[in-house]
Amino acid sequence: AQKITQTQPGMFVQEKEAVTLDCTYDTSDQSYGLFWYKQPSSGEMIFLIYQGSYDEQNATEGRYSLNFQKARKSANLVISASQLGDSAMYFCAMREANTGNQFYFGTGTSLTVIP
Amino acid sequence: DAGVIQSPRHEVTEMGQEVTLRCKPISGHNSLFWYRQTMMRGLELLIYFNNNVPIDDSGMPEDRFSAKMPNASFSTLKIQPSEPRDSAVYFCASRQKSTSGGINEQFFGPGTRLTVL
Repeated sequence: AQKITQTQPGMFVQEKEAVTLDCTYDTSDQSYGLFWYKQPSSGEMIFLIYQGSYDEQNATEGRYSLNFQKARKSANLVISASQLGDSAMYFCAMREANTGNQFYFGTGTSLTVIP
Repeated sequence: DAGVIQSPRHEVTEMGQEVTLRCKPISGHNSLFWYRQTMMRGLELLIYFNNNVPIDDSGMPEDRFSAKMPNASFSTLKIQPSEPRDSAVYFCASRQKSTSGGINEQFFGPGTRLTVL
């Protein structure tokens, strides 16, 4: 079974609008961490936001927020006030406590911001 | 901090040649990861090390691939012999020791774009 599932291969959003990128995960661990990374066309991987499994509040980092629904095992990324520079691939990832340092990545969602 | 350093940034080689990719993790990080990214397969974890010891190499595609980490500040990924299907971007990432409740994100290098003709 896939550890991380991103069902949206491509998304479009109008500039200044908000967009939600979906991510569901599969784990039997109680302790885990969820991450979102951005990969622009230049190729580098940029860390955006983190949510710990025991965090009661949704993580926020500037225009990024994580809609964490533990019972549904979903960790959707919300980008508010989209900018042209947000056009990139976005990867959801998970670290499980019982596998130590191993990360599991989703297949990514390509976001295009339309002016 | 210079971040994760990878070399070369670009490599073009002919089928059958040996290719060696190099990575210098961030100082103080004790975990190192090698990933391969292609359009067809996305981002794949090839191998990761904890304290210079390979922990999981189940992602290494075949015996042509080998990875070493002789010390905490250096790792290599070698492909011998290389094939056109090995063409991809290879990322190295490093991470601090896992601590309970910590973020412990992975820091990625800029990647090596490998083209095998």
